[in-house]
Amino acid sequence: IVVTQSPGTLSLSPGERATLSCRASHSVTGTFLSWYQQKPGQAPRLLIYSASTRATGIPDRFSGGGSGTDFTLTISRLEPEDSAVYYCQHHNNPVTFGGGTKVEIK
Amino acid sequence: QVQLQESGPGLVRPSETLSLTCTFFGGSVSGYYWNWLRQPAGNGLEWIGRVYSSGSTNFNPSVMTRVTMSVDTSKNQFSLKLFSATAADTAVYYCARGDIRTRAFDIWGQGKLVTVSS
Repeated sequence: IVVTQSPGTLSLSPGERATLSCRASHSVTGTFLSWYQQKPGQAPRLLIYSASTRATGIPDRFSGGGSGTDFTLTISRLEPEDSAVYYCQHHNNPVTFGGGTKVEIK
Repeated sequence: QVQLQESGPGLVRPSETLSLTCTFFGGSVSGYYWNWLRQPAGNGLEWIGRVYSSGSTNFNPSVMTRVTMSVDTSKNQFSLKLFSATAADTAVYYCARGDIRTRAFDIWGQGKLVTVSS
């Protein structure tokens, strides 16, 4: 399965809404699709699993949705600390990540 | 507090074996699966493979001919060996815990930079 994320870069102001897209070349088994946030010099952090469930401690401004081949991550009200690269990941074998979306805060 | 810690050489000679160990603190390796991933500088994430607490493994086809993984439940550790290393294997290597039910990678090590160079 090939996973494609868009856009490559998103530049928005604090308080705005960010919508990130993740598209798989074949349907993802069940809803085994996760989203991660990675800041420079840090390991990725799990945000969303099973396509729409927030991981422990993740603010409710982060939400995930979708099924089959099309998934989205929405950040409802951007904050400066949300500046990062966001990756989606499907869990079919082999596990594959999208190329990432860089979110920049103006 | 649960955490993962990678350890091993930061420099590997070309054609030699890249070996890393990940130690899980604050819990047991049983009941989960354990992953190795890597990230070349400025690039995205690549999943290398996983080892279950039972010892069974799955690997990415891109490396499966030259990789092994193992788990030592008595030490709460799991290991990666990547044979015949080349400069293309230079990357930050991460270990991560996989949840069997959701398959998500919920705990990550901080990463270990491994450079393959003579």
